[in-house]
Amino acid sequence: DAGVTQSPTHLIKTRGQQVTLRCSPKSGHDTVSWYQQALGQGPQFIFQYYEEEERQRGNFPDRFSGHQFPNYSSELNVNALLLGDSALYLCASSFSSSPEAFFGQGTRLTVV
Amino acid sequence: GQQLNQSPQSMFIQEGEDVSMNCTSSSIFNTWLWYKQDPGEGPVLLIALYKAGELTSNGRLTAQFGITRKDSFLNISASIPSDVGIYFCAGVRTGNQFYFGTGTSLTVIP
Repeated sequence: DAGVTQSPTHLIKTRGQQVTLRCSPKSGHDTVSWYQQALGQGPQFIFQYYEEEERQRGNFPDRFSGHQFPNYSSELNVNALLLGDSALYLCASSFSSSPEAFFGQGTRLTVV
Repeated sequence: GQQLNQSPQSMFIQEGEDVSMNCTSSSIFNTWLWYKQDPGEGPVLLIALYKAGELTSNGRLTAQFGITRKDSFLNISASIPSDVGIYFCAGVRTGNQFYFGTGTSLTVIP
């Protein structure tokens, strides 16, 4: 049973560019959440998707947007990249009825 | 965003010693989770706690949901080298929104 998978694993982008990160949830899970983890910090909640809709959102600007597809996979899009967006982006999946979230290995984004 | 306070920030212990760490918040939570993260990897779920006062074990790990619902504790008994990593607590509110702690970095000296 594959766990949560994220792609790509590493990415380098230039300031002002746009980026799309992808996530496939653990088999059977219907809820996907995205987190940003800066170096030396705990993960910060960006938003959560369920039934193809954004259900909750953390304190992140509108430059961060997402999507969930009918197969429950998800994308995170970041527009107008800033140097401060450099971080490990984590995707977590869960059943909608359970708080137990399982994380992928993350995508390391570097903005130069 | 809100982050929970974890202490200690880092620990250096001898193999075989027991470890204790805690997580505190100014707000109450419905669920507490404990995760371990290795460098360059995503966090791995260790223990989930659902009721105030609950004590739950997973092998050498034991965690407790504080009675005030504002804190949680994790103990590791008889530490081994593979326990090395960063341990995060996460408080969960209604709607499954997570708030992570600042992390405790554990180093085990053989």
